[in-house]
Amino acid sequence: EVQLVESGGGLVQPGGSLRLSCAASGFTFSTYWMHWVRQTPGKGLVWVSRINSDGTTTTYADSVKGRFTISRDNAKNTLYLQMNSLRAEDTAVYYCARATTVTSLSFGYWGQGILVTVSS
Amino acid sequence: DIVMTQSPDSLAVSLGERATINCKSSQSVLFSSNNKNYLAWYQQTPGQPPKLLIYWASTRDSGVPDRFSGSGSGTDFTLTISNLQAEDVAVYYCQQYYSTPYTFGQGTKLEIK
Repeated sequence: EVQLVESGGGLVQPGGSLRLSCAASGFTFSTYWMHWVRQTPGKGLVWVSRINSDGTTTTYADSVKGRFTISRDNAKNTLYLQMNSLRAEDTAVYYCARATTVTSLSFGYWGQGILVTVSS
Repeated sequence: DIVMTQSPDSLAVSLGERATINCKSSQSVLFSSNNKNYLAWYQQTPGQPPKLLIYWASTRDSGVPDRFSGSGSGTDFTLTISNLQAEDVAVYYCQQYYSTPYTFGQGTKLEIK
């Protein structure tokens, strides 16, 4: 069974940093593209970043480019999101998601999500 | 960026009836080299992550009841839920994965009439 479990969220002050982790199990982690998606009540679902199977290709939404870094450790079956210079508008539930198949980049599996709150 | 616009924002349908949700993209999401539409539909119930229903615009994900069907091509897509069940109450999102930034529609809230 595919499982994705996020951790590392919490309350952080504006300008601060957090690192989210997503522990993957139940599939060959090193085979799939992975994504981070966030959700706020007001703005719905917003794609944040993606990384290819071997970690050599990364892409970011403009809103986080230069502040967030996606990475993965295929030996540990873990996806990461390093978030720096956090702003109030980064407050959201963050989901990690796995591509549906090796060739389809739709989001076939999602973690339960982790809340990040940026506030003083 | 490709803008995804869903209609309606909300709808109420009687049990056993059909619900239809539309999604329009600001540019085509049809990839000519493989003739695939890079369009997915998700269902989200309160407190849960989104669940993939449909990808490639019309391919049901594993385990999704055949009451759910997707259609359309290019810029106009439809999610149809036949024989509506109580457990189908949710918010439904379309999403394009043709180009980054991947973008979602604003969501359509489906309720029972």
